[in-house]
Amino acid sequence: QKEVEQNSGPLSVPEGAIASLNCTYSDRVSQSFFWYRQYSGKSPELIMSIYSNGDKEDGRFTAQLNKASQYVSLLIRDSQPSDSATYLCAAIFGNEKLTFGTGTRLTIIP
Amino acid sequence: DAGVTQSPTHLIKTRGQQVTLRCSPKSGHDTVSWYQQALGQGPQFIFQYYEEEERQRGNFPDRFSGHQFPNYSSELNVNALLLGDSALYLCASSKQGVGETQYFGPGTRLLVL
Repeated sequence: QKEVEQNSGPLSVPEGAIASLNCTYSDRVSQSFFWYRQYSGKSPELIMSIYSNGDKEDGRFTAQLNKASQYVSLLIRDSQPSDSATYLCAAIFGNEKLTFGTGTRLTIIP
Repeated sequence: DAGVTQSPTHLIKTRGQQVTLRCSPKSGHDTVSWYQQALGQGPQFIFQYYEEEERQRGNFPDRFSGHQFPNYSSELNVNALLLGDSALYLCASSKQGVGETQYFGPGTRLLVL
């Protein structure tokens, strides 16, 4: 069974600090990885996609992919209260369906 | 540019009934995927439609069926509803291709009593 694993949290981070979210996956052939943000009662919203080893930055968000170690992470710099949400890691294994982790609940403390 | 739309937003049904949920993809997208998200869980893949055919299916019983229309919109049908079918049903659209990003609609919250 191809899986995506996340620490469910909750993760609490002071406002202005860096929030670090981690995700591991089971299948070495995975090529496409995504981070979604989901506010309570809402649908997932795409934050970042990453396909190559290394870092990808978009504003306050940086995704990091390490295929050798089979993990992908999301860093949120200068965390804001509006970043409080559940963050879903997802991967596409080969040509198959998008598989999600259970999500990490992040709370930014003012 | 309209994003992914879904209807209805909320629905209450009783056990044994049937339900139909609808989804219109984002402009320019031709592939629709459906997910079920239970409380506190990540979305679980139900199936994916492209060119009016079911291309992939997750681990869901035959009570879950779907359809895609020529305009790329899609329906999810669930027969013989169970209490355990209560969940947020999400539709995501994308362009056909390996690794294409999927964009989600607002979801339909289904409650089965």
